[in-house]
This record gives sequence, structure tokens and C-alpha cells, in this order.
Amino acid sequence: GESVGLHLPTLSVQEGDNSIINCAYSNSASDYFIWYKQESGKGPQFIIDIRSNMDKRQGQRVTVLLNKTVKHLSLQIAATQPGDSAVYFCAENLGGTYKYIFGTGTRLKVLA
Amino acid sequence: KAGVTQTPRYLIKTRGQQVTLSCSPISGHRSVSWYQQTPGQGLQFLFEYFSETQRNKGNFPGRFSGRQFSNSRSEMNVSTLELGDSALYLCASKGDSGQGEQYFGPGTRLTVT
Repeated sequence: GESVGLHLPTLSVQEGDNSIINCAYSNSASDYFIWYKQESGKGPQFIIDIRSNMDKRQGQRVTVLLNKTVKHLSLQIAATQPGDSAVYFCAENLGGTYKYIFGTGTRLKVLA
Repeated sequence: KAGVTQTPRYLIKTRGQQVTLSCSPISGHRSVSWYQQTPGQGLQFLFEYFSETQRNKGNFPGRFSGRQFSNSRSEMNVSTLELGDSALYLCASKGDSGQGEQYFGPGTRLTVT
């Protein structure tokens, strides 16, 4: 498959453990945030989103936390599985700009 | 429902040439965004179209242009190709005009030699 990023920070996690992927966003006025997963050879796939009026949102096996004070997002994946191995991106948006700004990405490797 | 499709999937061009990439959004989606993805710069926003109007543009030179047709299909064009234009070009569509989930296509891998 195609390499998404050759010099991405990498998080290695044992299968079954929880993973925490962090992201610092750039614009304090951004009010909508998304986490994406990108597997080799594919486009990014939506995981979960959160609006700025929330601090936490849960999905199936995933939780996103938003700390507006320090402009920080995190994605928690419970019971990490081999299929979770991918590159994860956060994206921020300011309403009315029609533009999503992506973070640099983190490669998650799940160890069997 | 069919996903976002992009054609071609792979393309090799020579410096100085121009290229046109095509994106067909999910049926009913009127917003189409384009991104350039490279190992060094990550995912960078090129432009966004909604109902044939460009609503925002990223920080790319004028060699990069786009358009959207009345059926929401979109094309992007890069003229006078440079080696640094080698990248994965991703298209994403969205159902409404506001904030929300973008659905990405598989991308077009452009190699400039």
C-alpha cells in the first residue's frame, strides 16, 4: 500500500490495551473537531466528532476528549485490535469557513 | 449508496505538463473539498465547492484550480507541474452546507517526473 507519512510519530500498543492518541489544534476559535482513521491505500475514514460546547463524546470503543483551554484533543480507543492499526488524524473547523485543518497524524501500531 | 469516486487512481506526468483530476461525490452531496497529502506536509486543504461556488481556498499557488459542475462532480487542475506536486490528491464530499462528516474518496496518486 501507499505510505501516508514516513516520519509520523508512532504509538505502539499491545492488542487488548487502551490507546490514547493526542492532537494539538491550531485555532482557538475552531468549534468543530473530527478524528479520522486512514489505512494504507485508502482515504481517511470518519471515526467521531465533537463540537466545542462539549468536553467529551463517546462512540463505539472510542472516546474523544476536548480541552479548549490548552487547545488539545485526544482519542481514546478501548481494547485496541489489530484492525485499529492505521494513521489517525484530527481535524478542526471553524464554522462558516468551509475549511478543515488537519493535524500531522499519528501512526498506531497494534502488537499481537 | 456508492461512495466518493476519484479518477484516475494513478497518474504519471512530466514537469511542465498539466493534469486534471476528477471527483464524483456521494449522490446528493453538494459540498466537495480537495486536499493534497504528502509525507512531509500531511493533509493540506486546497479548496471547497458548494453548488458550483468556491467558498474557500487554501494557500496554494494559482497553478491549482478547480471547478464544480451542476451535478456536483468536481475537477481540479494543476498546470505547469512541478516535482513537488507529486502527492496523493484526496476529494471529500459532504451532505449539507454546514459542519459535519466529510466522506473521502480513495485519492489520485500523482507522480511528477
